[in-house]
Amino acid sequence: DTAVSQTPKYLVTQMGNDKSIKCEQNLGHDTMYWYKQDSKKFLKIMFSYNNKELIINETVPNRFSPKSPDKAHLNLHINSLELGDSAVYFCASSPSLNTGELFFGEGSRLTVL
Amino acid sequence: GQNIDQPTEMTATEGAIVQINCTYQTSGFNGLFWYQQHAGEAPTFLSYNVLDGLEEKGRFSSFLSRSKGYSYLLLKELQMKDSASYLCAGGYNFNKFYFGSGTKLNVKP
Repeated sequence: DTAVSQTPKYLVTQMGNDKSIKCEQNLGHDTMYWYKQDSKKFLKIMFSYNNKELIINETVPNRFSPKSPDKAHLNLHINSLELGDSAVYFCASSPSLNTGELFFGEGSRLTVL
Repeated sequence: GQNIDQPTEMTATEGAIVQINCTYQTSGFNGLFWYQQHAGEAPTFLSYNVLDGLEEKGRFSSFLSRSKGYSYLLLKELQMKDSASYLCAGGYNFNKFYFGSGTKLNVKP
């Protein structure tokens, strides 16, 4: 069983479209994250949630809207996609806010044309 | 964020030892993490240092000096499968993790 799973793995879409990426973890963790990894392989935190509550919003444009229906799920919706949104988006989880080891999903490669 | 700096790329020979350095901003710092990321895959956790000193885990060791804002990852008895990117990440207040850009390690026969 995959610990942190995200779908879809690949997403190709046109500029201006709206898309969603889903993430689920079966580790019983309290905290979940979204990271963006650009073409230079730089991993940058976007959001973190703890028990469905938003903890970190790292100056991400409001076209990006995370939603956590329960602590095992953290979805990412992106409106009005732009070319610069092309990247690999990684979902991750950790046992709690105060423990640091992150468990990453396999990533979702988004290509905006 | 938090000025996490590490070399972009390194090359080493199979069987050798390599040290990957990382410096970070000390304000609000809680702990230092190392992750390994193979091309096209997710990062996987390697080590965590919160106190000064060396943590050893098999062929991999990680060192931390909090006063100097410095860490290194030491890989011994290099194997071809160790070719990957190694990401240094600093844990800061409010559970914020900032990653360096990664060091791409090329292991040659």
